[in-house]
Amino acid sequence: GNSVTQMEGPVTLSEEAFLTINCTYTATGYPSLFWYVQYPGEGLQLLLKATKADDKGSNKGFEATYRKETTSFHLEKGSVQVSDSAVYFCALSEGSSNTGKLIFGQGTTLQVKP
Amino acid sequence: DGGITQSPKYLFRKEGQNVTLSCEQNLNHDAMYWYRQDPGQGLRLIYYSQIVNDFQKGDIAEGYSVSREKKESFPLTVTSAQKNPTAFYLCASSIVAGGLNTEAFFGQGTRLTVV
Repeated sequence: GNSVTQMEGPVTLSEEAFLTINCTYTATGYPSLFWYVQYPGEGLQLLLKATKADDKGSNKGFEATYRKETTSFHLEKGSVQVSDSAVYFCALSEGSSNTGKLIFGQGTTLQVKP
Repeated sequence: DGGITQSPKYLFRKEGQNVTLSCEQNLNHDAMYWYRQDPGQGLRLIYYSQIVNDFQKGDIAEGYSVSREKKESFPLTVTSAQKNPTAFYLCASSIVAGGLNTEAFFGQGTRLTVV
């Protein structure tokens, strides 16, 4: 079945460091890919998305490129801030259906220190 | 402002009780979903509904029930049959039309604790 695998956390960085959170997926067909962010005690917010191969999603300095050849959707940011501290989830929506169901990775906690 | 409202934010349940979590959306979305989140794990799908008066089981539906009598509302009941209900519950909605995979919008969550 379809699945998403993220790098384990927590990831601890100093402010202004470069961030990469790895995400790989297994899916049939052509899924859409998403990154969501969750701040403590809150729901999930969409950070960025990509709907087809080679698409790059970007938002708030974060980027991720849909790589079909490596089945990856790694999240990157050039210079993190303390306010980026949160849990990040990679997810896919199955391309062959129109149910909108999401399959999530286990989440990666990011801690940014001043 | 459009969005998804979950209530209550915190809920305590005694052993053997049924409890109902509320989820309301004013985004005019057709599809609604319930996910469960446990510490250190991703979200798992409990139930989903693509249209009023219809819903389907997700991956972990046992011990839960839902209804979809109105487009705006998708309440989740955690029954006494759910053996480990302590978790963070998230409701979401999305536009689903013609195969487009649009993003889901999430509520703020309900934290359920069994006491």
